[in-house]
Amino acid sequence: DGGITQSPKYLFRKEGQNVTLSCEQNLNHDAMYWYRQDPGQGLRLIYYSQIVNDFQKGDIAEGYSVSREKKESFPLTVTSAQKNPTAFYLCASSARMGERSNEKLFFGSGTQLSVL
Amino acid sequence: QQQVKQSPQSLIVQKGGISIINCAYENTAFDYFPWYQQFPGKGPALLIAIRPDVSEKKEGRFTISFNKSAKQFSLHIMDSQPGDSATYFCAASKDNQGGKLIFGQGTELSVKP
Repeated sequence: DGGITQSPKYLFRKEGQNVTLSCEQNLNHDAMYWYRQDPGQGLRLIYYSQIVNDFQKGDIAEGYSVSREKKESFPLTVTSAQKNPTAFYLCASSARMGERSNEKLFFGSGTQLSVL
Repeated sequence: QQQVKQSPQSLIVQKGGISIINCAYENTAFDYFPWYQQFPGKGPALLIAIRPDVSEKKEGRFTISFNKSAKQFSLHIMDSQPGDSATYFCAASKDNQGGKLIFGQGTELSVKP
């Protein structure tokens, strides 16, 4: 089945620790995104990537880092600089950016990150 | 100017009734307005979307009404069913960058049998 796979489903972070969330897609999509979801709030864009080896900051990039070395993979690292990391993290992809016919986002099932 | 405001925060509807969720935006550069449906523990899924060149779009029991002058749009769910119970998010984007969405705060819909 084509789709987006996020792992792990649950993750716990200790004080001062960096953690990496995995996101893999087999949809052959060019664009990938990371969103953060907090209870009672909408999703907020952390980072996005339109093409391999290129990525851009979203609205809340501080304390996070990403890489895009392969088309199908877009891992997110939550660094120790992110002081309030507890949230539900969602990875998404779309066929392309900048094309009206390819704007639909496909989301993974998310990773719940909590602080110990 | 980047915000999308969504109401109500929660909604309880009887089976067979109409569910209505409203959103308002400020940025007139927004040109794409999708609605996403999310079930607990899952990622959102696109339900229906509209562009400002039409005032209404219908897909099955789901309808988006769009009022460009008022900068408002709404989702109507006709004949609401218990299976529609989920969280609904409106969103907006601009400049043909549909993946860079500004989301509303979400509405938790519960449809009672």
